[in-house]
Amino acid sequence: KNQVEQSPQSLIILEGKNCTLQCNYTVSPFSNLRWYKQDTGRGPVSLTIMTFSENTKSNGRYTATLDADTKQSSLHITASQLSDSASYICVVNSGGSYIPTFGRGTSLIVHP
Amino acid sequence: EAGVTQFPSHSVIEKGQTVTLRCDPISGHDNLYWYRRVMGKEIKFLLHFVKESKQDESGMPNNRFLAERTGGTYSTLKVQPAELEDSGVYFCASSQETGANYGYTFGSGTRLTVV
Repeated sequence: KNQVEQSPQSLIILEGKNCTLQCNYTVSPFSNLRWYKQDTGRGPVSLTIMTFSENTKSNGRYTATLDADTKQSSLHITASQLSDSASYICVVNSGGSYIPTFGRGTSLIVHP
Repeated sequence: EAGVTQFPSHSVIEKGQTVTLRCDPISGHDNLYWYRRVMGKEIKFLLHFVKESKQDESGMPNNRFLAERTGGTYSTLKVQPAELEDSGVYFCASSQETGANYGYTFGSGTRLTVV
């Protein structure tokens, strides 16, 4: 069964600090992995997409990594801002289906 | 360009009543998806339209749920009769192309509460 596990479930950090969110998946065959940011009351918005051959991808202060061998991904947020407070969802697409598998998300709160 | 629009944003209904959710995809997007997030769980696929045709409805929980997309434009998702376990956030998403490499644009969701 395809599954995506995220940790931690929730995280509180101070503004300006860095943090790293984790995603482990068992989706097979693997096609790509996306990180989404979901602000309260809004729909998820894609931050990055990574394919099998990509190890690192950045989008501003967000850097995603992928280890396809261990089936792990991380999302690193640098110099956090109050606007980074949101739920971050890891989503994995299988090559055998266009229906993605979602993780439950990590709820990040950035305090001033 | 306008994004994916969902209406209403919130709905509170009593068990046994009927509710209809609406989604307006991005203009020109043939693919329309419905997803649901039950509290504490992950977002899960409900169904997929390509234009007006149901491509995949394997995620629909039961026959109390009916989705339509007449004319291949907006879509509605009707729950009749609603049960307590139907509470959650219902997301609609659309995309121009089909396939794992194409990202969706999500709407802001409809938060449904059945009491």
